[in-house]
Amino acid sequence: QQQVKQSPQSLIVQKGGISIINCAYENTAFDYFPWYQQFPGKGPALLIAIRPDVSEKKEGRFTISFNKSAKQFSLHIMDSQPGDSATYFCAAEGVNSGYSTLTFGKGTMLLVSP
Amino acid sequence: DVKVTQSSRYLVKRTGEKVFLECVQDMDHENMFWYRQDPGLGLRLIYFSYDVKMKEKGDIPEGYSVSREKKERFSLILESASTNQTSMYLCASSLLQGAANQPQHFGDGTRLSIL
Repeated sequence: QQQVKQSPQSLIVQKGGISIINCAYENTAFDYFPWYQQFPGKGPALLIAIRPDVSEKKEGRFTISFNKSAKQFSLHIMDSQPGDSATYFCAAEGVNSGYSTLTFGKGTMLLVSP
Repeated sequence: DVKVTQSSRYLVKRTGEKVFLECVQDMDHENMFWYRQDPGLGLRLIYFSYDVKMKEKGDIPEGYSVSREKKERFSLILESASTNQTSMYLCASSLLQGAANQPQHFGDGTRLSIL
């Protein structure tokens, strides 16, 4: 059972445009929602994260919007740049055997065209 | 700076072999994780460890085992490799034992092919 659904699978955006990636979750016990960015040949790295007690978090050009009632959250990349081309994973943190673990979405491959 | 090192970038093994994937972190982190990454499936948790000699099953532990004899080292073992275990394997670590809201730091992965 997939607990975090991510869309779209791939995305092409022109330089300067806005990239939007969406995620939805089912488990209301999730209480932390990070986004990871992965460049080819590298491991994922934490980009930005949000807790469900806030509706939005912004760090530079990256913003997470969170809708607790709809159980959805999204990543917005403003003024997208070719250097943002990467695979993005949303995740949700829950408890596994009494310890916190992450459940990841399937990923979105973003290509920002020059 | 945080460093998670996976011993091999690429590995080719044969079906039935016992395969060891090694991961070392230099940050004195308590928690370590093994994931596999497959196209269209994202990252799936295989096993994790919150302390030396301790281990917990993740979402897809079948066919795998792990070993954590030292705090900095976490090994993934494929007891009898099969072709469906061909994948990218990612190791990660985080600081505080079992604590919430911590970033996970990933290695650059081992691409394993089972022939």
